[in-house]
Amino acid sequence: KAGVTQTPRYLIKTRGQQVTLSCSPISGHRSVSWYQQTPGQGLQFLFEYFSETQRNKGNFPGRFSGRQFSNSRSEMNVSTLELGDSALYLCASSQTPQINGYTFGSGTRLTVV
Amino acid sequence: DQQVKQNSPSLSVQEGRISILNCDYTNSMFDYFLWYKKYPAEGPTFLISISSIKDKNEDGRFTVFLNKSAKHLSLHIVPSQPGDSAVYFCAATTGDSNYQLIWGAGTKLIIKP
Repeated sequence: KAGVTQTPRYLIKTRGQQVTLSCSPISGHRSVSWYQQTPGQGLQFLFEYFSETQRNKGNFPGRFSGRQFSNSRSEMNVSTLELGDSALYLCASSQTPQINGYTFGSGTRLTVV
Repeated sequence: DQQVKQNSPSLSVQEGRISILNCDYTNSMFDYFLWYKKYPAEGPTFLISISSIKDKNEDGRFTVFLNKSAKHLSLHIVPSQPGDSAVYFCAATTGDSNYQLIWGAGTKLIIKP
């Protein structure tokens, strides 16, 4: 079956712009989580959606937002981009996270210049 | 406040020997722990997990040990192979409906030929 698909793979944006990243989970997975990975910081949790509702949220400013659609596809948006937002953004989906863990996509590499 | 800590940013091991990756946690409410492996430019992949009711879980060359009193877990890989060179993340979660994973910063494992 198809894995978690993230688009685009690479993105270059200018400071102050906004960006939308997309994630298509594995079919049947209703939980979608977003993470930011920067060198030396590991994976920082952004938010998790389940059945179109935000179930959990990490400690990121309000410039970071997301949503989930009825088909479980999810988008995250970052407004007023800052240089420090340059990172690998990972999406993960799961049916039962505690039993099966999460399946991650390959990520979107965002570079803010 | 880092609830999950991987204190070794990197580890170098000879091929064929045992690799031991360590992880410490502070939250005694964590009751499920997972290890993920990540190659460059790819999302993390689920390796192995352990519930707090166990102290050991084995899957092929990978064994995870949990010491609840010390709030410490470790991943043993034996024998280590070149393909094991990657960044390893440990993650933890509580047993409630909040499935948020708390991640360590990762340890880069380098297997030397």
